[in-house]
Amino acid sequence: EAQVTQNPRYLITVTGKKLTVTCSQNMNHEYMSWYRQDPGLGLRQIYYSMNVEVTDKGDVPEGYKVSRKEKRNFPLILESPSPNQTSLYFCASSLFWTTTYEQYFGPGTRLTVT
Amino acid sequence: AQSVTQLDSHVSVSEGTPVLLRCNYSSSYSPSLFWYVQHPNKGLQLLLKYTSAATLVKGINGFEAEFKKSETSFHLTKPSAHMSDAAEYFCVVSDRDTGRRALTFGSGTRLQVQP
Repeated sequence: EAQVTQNPRYLITVTGKKLTVTCSQNMNHEYMSWYRQDPGLGLRQIYYSMNVEVTDKGDVPEGYKVSRKEKRNFPLILESPSPNQTSLYFCASSLFWTTTYEQYFGPGTRLTVT
Repeated sequence: AQSVTQLDSHVSVSEGTPVLLRCNYSSSYSPSLFWYVQHPNKGLQLLLKYTSAATLVKGINGFEAEFKKSETSFHLTKPSAHMSDAAEYFCVVSDRDTGRRALTFGSGTRLQVQP
C-alpha cells in the first residue's frame, strides 16, 4: 500500500531532550516536507526537500533540523525541544516538487514538550 | 506572497442540505489550489485540486469547487451533506512559479452535520 508513515504517533518529552520523528514513504517520491499544525493557524511548513541531499527552510524552521540521506526517509530532529514546539506534526511527500502533483500526508505525530 | 482566508471557522448544516465552505486566496503568480479534509485523529486527504485546467473541479465524495479568478475565490460545495462529511476542511494555495513549492494552508473550517 502506497503510504507515508511517521513514528512515533504520540510523544511526550521534557525540555531539552533531543528527539527524532521519523518519516518514510514507499512511493519513490522526490519531494518531502514537514509541517506543524496549531489550532487556528492551519499547517505551516517547517522544512522541505526536493531530492536526496537537497533540503531548505520553510516558514517556521527555528528549532528544527532535517536530513535527506535516502530518498524514502526524511527525519525531523529537535535537538533541544521547548514547550512552544508542542504541536501536531505532519510529514508529506509528492512525486515531484511542481505544484501539479498532490502531496500525500502521513498520519501525524502529536508531540508534547513539558 | 501567497495567502489563504477561509471565511468561516465553523459551519453547521443539516444532513441532506447543501454545503458551502468559502475560501479566498491571494497569489502573485498563477496558483494551484487544493481542498484537503481532515477527519478526527486522521491525516489529511486530498479532496480536489485546481491546476489551470477546467475552472469547475470535481473531487471525491461528491464535492466540487469553482475557481473564480476575478473574485480570487475557490469555494467548496456539495449538494447534499452526509454525516460522514463532518470534519475539518483546509483550503490550500501553492504558487506554481516559486521553487520552494510550499503549500499555504488556510486556518480551517470545521463542518458539523446535524442529523
